[in-house]
Amino acid sequence: KAGVTQTPRYLIKTRGQQVTLSCSPISGHRSVSWYQQTPGQGLQFLFEYFSETQRNKGNFPGRFSGRQFSNSRSEMNVSTLELGDSALYLCASRLAGGTNTDTQYFGPGTRLTVL
Amino acid sequence: AQSVTQLGSHVSVSEGALVLLRCNYSSSVPPYLFWYVQYPNQGLQLLLKYTSAATLVKGINGFEAEFKKSETSFHLTKPSAHMSDAAEYFCAVIERGGSYIPTFGRGTSLIVHP
Repeated sequence: KAGVTQTPRYLIKTRGQQVTLSCSPISGHRSVSWYQQTPGQGLQFLFEYFSETQRNKGNFPGRFSGRQFSNSRSEMNVSTLELGDSALYLCASRLAGGTNTDTQYFGPGTRLTVL
Repeated sequence: AQSVTQLGSHVSVSEGALVLLRCNYSSSVPPYLFWYVQYPNQGLQLLLKYTSAATLVKGINGFEAEFKKSETSFHLTKPSAHMSDAAEYFCAVIERGGSYIPTFGRGTSLIVHP
């Protein structure tokens, strides 16, 4: 079974631009979550999508948004980029069988650099 | 809100020595607990998880962790370190009965000396 894939792996943008990151979950997984990882703040939860609906949301400004398609693939968008948005963005998928003991499977991440 | 504390941002051991990475949580109700490993330029990989079965949990790559309610701890151990264990380790908690929103510790970098 293929793992979680994220594209692109590396991205360089300038302040004020917007960016879209893509995530393909493991086949059969219905939930996709996004995380931001930075040296200063560590790993922080952005949001989770399940069956094309945002199920949970972390404490991030509205510039961060996402969506999920009917095939469970997900995209994350960041508008009006700031220098502080430079981070590793991780996507994770799980079956979401109704329990909080699910195992999440992480993709390799997209390294975003904002200049 | 829940919090997770990982004591020691860096832990250094010799190859063959015991590995001990510490994790303490703060919540009145014991949460679900997870340990992940992250190698450079990769995502996180689950090592093991505690979901209220046995308090001693065995994971992959020879790692295990023991849930101690009285100490609100879930420390990760491995009897004998290998060079390939050098990586970043994260402890995470998820509230029982709440939303699936993990809270991660700040991570511990394990350095293994030959």
